[in-house]
Amino acid sequence: GESVGLHLPTLSVQEGDNSIINCAYSNSASDYFIWYKQESGKGPQFIIDIRSNMDKRQGQRVTVLLNKTVKHLSLQIAATQPGDSAVYFCAESYSGGYQKVTFGIGTKLQVIP
Amino acid sequence: DTGVSQDPRHKITKRGQNVTFRCDPISEHNRLYWYRQTLGQGPEFLTYFQNEAQLEKSRLLSDRFSAERPKGSFSTLEIQRTEQGDSAMYLCASSLGGQGMAFFGQGTRLTVV
Repeated sequence: GESVGLHLPTLSVQEGDNSIINCAYSNSASDYFIWYKQESGKGPQFIIDIRSNMDKRQGQRVTVLLNKTVKHLSLQIAATQPGDSAVYFCAESYSGGYQKVTFGIGTKLQVIP
Repeated sequence: DTGVSQDPRHKITKRGQNVTFRCDPISEHNRLYWYRQTLGQGPEFLTYFQNEAQLEKSRLLSDRFSAERPKGSFSTLEIQRTEQGDSAMYLCASSLGGQGMAFFGQGTRLTVV
């Protein structure tokens, strides 16, 4: 099927290594941020979110870091697995909740077995 | 399956024809969103509903596009007089209020020939 990852920045990592995916957001008023994973032919899948009153949040194998000073988000995936291969999007929203969400440019993660 | 359901999954239509897509959100979710995604890009917000009320529409939603959610449950997105530039994946998402993450459906892939 079609690849949602055409022409996207690509990060290649060895299986078992940690992955770091970076994202710059544009709206300084944004106060809610979300990372999504999208596999080819599927809709985006929620991974983790963070509000602007935090600078770090951890989930299962994933950590999101927020630096509001430079408007930067990162997603860290520990012990990357082949099933992590997908396109990852950061998304931003304002008004403290999930209303209109603006997606960033995705990053294609390729896990090398 | 209790996730967001979209129908059809694929639609091929001739330029100038009208098409209608359906989205069934997660049953207790009061917010419903439509996005459009073209190859290699992140999803772009089109519109969202809280219950049956359409609260926001993007400038991307030209007058050929109309969305409804008549009973606050399922939603339809209609495109009239389709153009080749309408070819894209149309994604629906739903959430409970504005505080939770939204869950996306698998999308409807539209090809205008």
